[in-house]
This record gives sequence, C-alpha cells and structure tokens, in this order.
Amino acid sequence: EEQVVESGGGLVQPGGSLRLSCAASGFTFSNFAMTWVRQAPGKGLEWVSAISGSGSSTYYAGSLKGRFTMSRDNSKNTLYLQMNSLRVEDAAVYYCAKNIGGHFFYYMDVWGTGTTVTVS
Amino acid sequence: QSALTQPASVSGSPGQSITISCSGTSSGVATSSLVSWYQQHPGKAPKLLIFEVNKRPSGVSNRFSGSKSGDTASLTISGLQTEDEADYFCCSYARTSTLLFGGGSRLTVL
Repeated sequence: EEQVVESGGGLVQPGGSLRLSCAASGFTFSNFAMTWVRQAPGKGLEWVSAISGSGSSTYYAGSLKGRFTMSRDNSKNTLYLQMNSLRVEDAAVYYCAKNIGGHFFYYMDVWGTGTTVTVS
Repeated sequence: QSALTQPASVSGSPGQSITISCSGTSSGVATSSLVSWYQQHPGKAPKLLIFEVNKRPSGVSNRFSGSKSGDTASLTISGLQTEDEADYFCCSYARTSTLLFGGGSRLTVL
C-alpha cells in the first residue's frame, strides 16, 4: 500500500524554524514528484511547494519563496520541508502528498494525515 | 495570486445531483486541462476525485464527474449519498509554475 507519513510539527515562536519530514513507503519514491500542501485552522487548502523525483527541481508558492526550502533524500525515501522565519500565519496542518506519475506535479493521489505547526 | 472561485456552500437531497463550479478567469490559469478536484471530510486528509478535468483515479465512484467550459470547471456528483457530505476543492496549475486551490465548497446532504 502506498503511504506517506508526516512528522516534525510542533509549537515554535514567531521568527523560529522547523523542519518537517515525510516518510514514504509502498512505491518507488524517486520515480515521483512530491508536494506539500497546508491548511490553516478552518481554512481551505493552500499549495506550498513541489519537488521533482530526482530532487533537481523545486517549485514554491510565491508568498513563501525564500523562507521555505523543500528537499528529498531518495536513499531514505524521505521528503523534507525546512521552514524558516516562521510567522503566525504559517500555522497550519501540513500535508505531504505523492504526485501522480507522468503528470509533473499537477495532481496528488496519496496524502498523509498531516502534521500540525503552531506559531505562537 | 487569487484562489480559484468556488461557491462557499452547496446542498442537495439524497439521490439528487449537484454541481460545484470553479472559476479561474482572474487567476492566470495557463491551460484548460490541468484541473483536479479533491474531497475532504472533517479532520481527514484530502482525497483526489478527478484529475485532468474529467479523469477518475482507480477506486473513485463514477458518481463523480468533471467537466470544463471556458474558464469554469465543474464537479458533478450524481445520486447524492449522505457520505458525500464533505468539503470539495478544485485545483489548477497556474502560469507561474504553481498550483492554485479554490476556496472550497461545503456540501450538505439534506
């Protein structure tokens, strides 16, 4: 079964940093682009970033660029999101998702249960 | 960049059909085919229902269908069931190599 599991969320002060991880299993990790999506309490989904299967290409929401860095370690089947200079408005549930093969990063077909980031 | 525009709420009775619209006129959506729809039950992760405007992933009920006309994409749910009560989000690739989500539509099955 294809599965992704997020970890690393927690409470951080404004201006602080946090690194989220996402462990993947059940599929050939390096063959698929991966995506982070976040959801603030009571709000809708917001696309955060995506990374190619090889890790050579990354894409970010315009409002986040420069503060967040997405990376992956294909030898460990793990995805990362380094978040710096965190703001109160970054508080959200952060979801890791696998992208459908052959469709760049357009569609996410396997989602984790999310990890909660609180900035206060 | 503005999110795609969806109605905040829609409702229908069991057995009926409903349609949720997703307008992207002002969002810079680059092409007409890179639209997807996600279902999210409260406290749960989103689930992919439709991709590439009208394709269903394996395992998704054929009661869910997608379409697009001009700058508006639509999700239709036929034969409404109580378990369809959830939030629905459209998503589209945007011209700036990013993805945009709609604001979400809450479906109430009366």
